[in-house]
Amino acid sequence: QSVLTQPPSASGSPGQSVTISCTGTSSDVGAYNYVSWYQQHAGKAPKLLIYEVTKRPSGVPDRFSASKSGNTASLTVSGLLSEDEADYYCSSYVGGNKRVFGGGTKLTVL
Amino acid sequence: EVQLVESGGGLVQPGGSLRLSCTASEFTFSHYGMNWVRQAPGKGLEWLSYIETSGGGIDYGDSVKGRFTVSRDNAKNLLYLQMNSLRAEDTALYYCARDRWPYYSDYWGQGILVTVSS
Repeated sequence: QSVLTQPPSASGSPGQSVTISCTGTSSDVGAYNYVSWYQQHAGKAPKLLIYEVTKRPSGVPDRFSASKSGNTASLTVSGLLSEDEADYYCSSYVGGNKRVFGGGTKLTVL
Repeated sequence: EVQLVESGGGLVQPGGSLRLSCTASEFTFSHYGMNWVRQAPGKGLEWLSYIETSGGGIDYGDSVKGRFTVSRDNAKNLLYLQMNSLRAEDTALYYCARDRWPYYSDYWGQGILVTVSS
């Protein structure tokens, strides 16, 4: 399976908003509304941020929002905090019981 | 709180085998599908395998299909990953993760390191 394409890095100042893209194909992101996003702080396990394209689990701040258009999904972090500095990964269902991850985006809070 | 603890990692020679375990607690293990995901040093996440609640539905990523086998023992709350014909490129931190429908993981273990080297 192909890896979903994410920008390697993104950055923003505290209080600003940053959007991270996740580009797939008509066989994965474009075919299903089953995109999820994960946050991974250095040395830690990934943490679920978003599922089913736009849904936030309880406990995830509403500063995190997401959307999808065609073959590209996006994660927006609003009101950046220093604690948001982490790696972010998208994932998509690709059929059967298979999933695929994006290459990851390192978010730096300036 | 849901807990997932991986074990069984370590150093293995190329061509060798290793079996990882994931011990689940604080939830009804038999009610959830499970995933294995790995992360090579300094690299991104790679989905490896999925097993459904009863063990009947299984799938693998292309890079491990035919070499890795996932299984589970619901009576013991254990998930396994049997890894054969290991290669240097299998060196990674291996995570087990609880699966939720539709197709996302809501809880992850802390990971266990597997190093394939002579």
